[in-house]
Amino acid sequence: QSALTQPASVSGSPGQSITISCTGTNSDAGGYKYVSWFQQHPGKAPKLIIYDVTNRSSGVSNRFSASKSGNTASLTISGLQAEDEADYYCSSYTSSSTLVFGGGTKVTVL
Amino acid sequence: EVQLVESGGGLVQPGGSLRLSCVASGFTFSSYWMNWVRQAPGKGLEWVANIQQDGSEKYYVDSVKGRFTISRDNAKNSLYLQMNNLRAEDTAVYYCTREMYYYISGMGYWGQGTLVTVSS
Repeated sequence: QSALTQPASVSGSPGQSITISCTGTNSDAGGYKYVSWFQQHPGKAPKLIIYDVTNRSSGVSNRFSASKSGNTASLTISGLQAEDEADYYCSSYTSSSTLVFGGGTKVTVL
Repeated sequence: EVQLVESGGGLVQPGGSLRLSCVASGFTFSSYWMNWVRQAPGKGLEWVANIQQDGSEKYYVDSVKGRFTISRDNAKNSLYLQMNNLRAEDTAVYYCTREMYYYISGMGYWGQGTLVTVSS
């Protein structure tokens, strides 16, 4: 049950686009369509922004998009805004019928 | 409105036990997979356990197998986590979460969390 691999930090200027990667194996992210992305602001509970690899949760800005290629899922934030500064986590279903999170990525808006 | 309210956290000594509860409202509780997720202070999210709609299937992260038990009471719209033989590394905020849809699809709803501190 190893965690999915995410970069520790990603930064960008307002208006730019950034991409966060989430790398797993054929036994988790690469093998299933059940990949999710969460946004967490300090002191708050996480919020689901993407489910089933590419689907935006209700009310989530269309500046957030996601995809998957092989064992790596990706979250792209377009038109970066100050409010996007937060921690982001990916999650996947696994072949052991468990779930696993990535280590998290801190997004900084410069 | 979907609401998940956790309770039962607190300070416990190593080796001790604690039972967390989560009361759900605003949806048909018996129709959804439910999860417990934890976050140690300053650390990332860790999935702990989940349970199928009727309680017949339960899964755990390796680090809590044999020590933690997830259960639910659909008549009371409640989810539980019995934690035994607690260790310092179990110190975390514990969140109760609900899947977005009736299948494992993404944890769309989260409670506010309850803090468990394991320390002597």
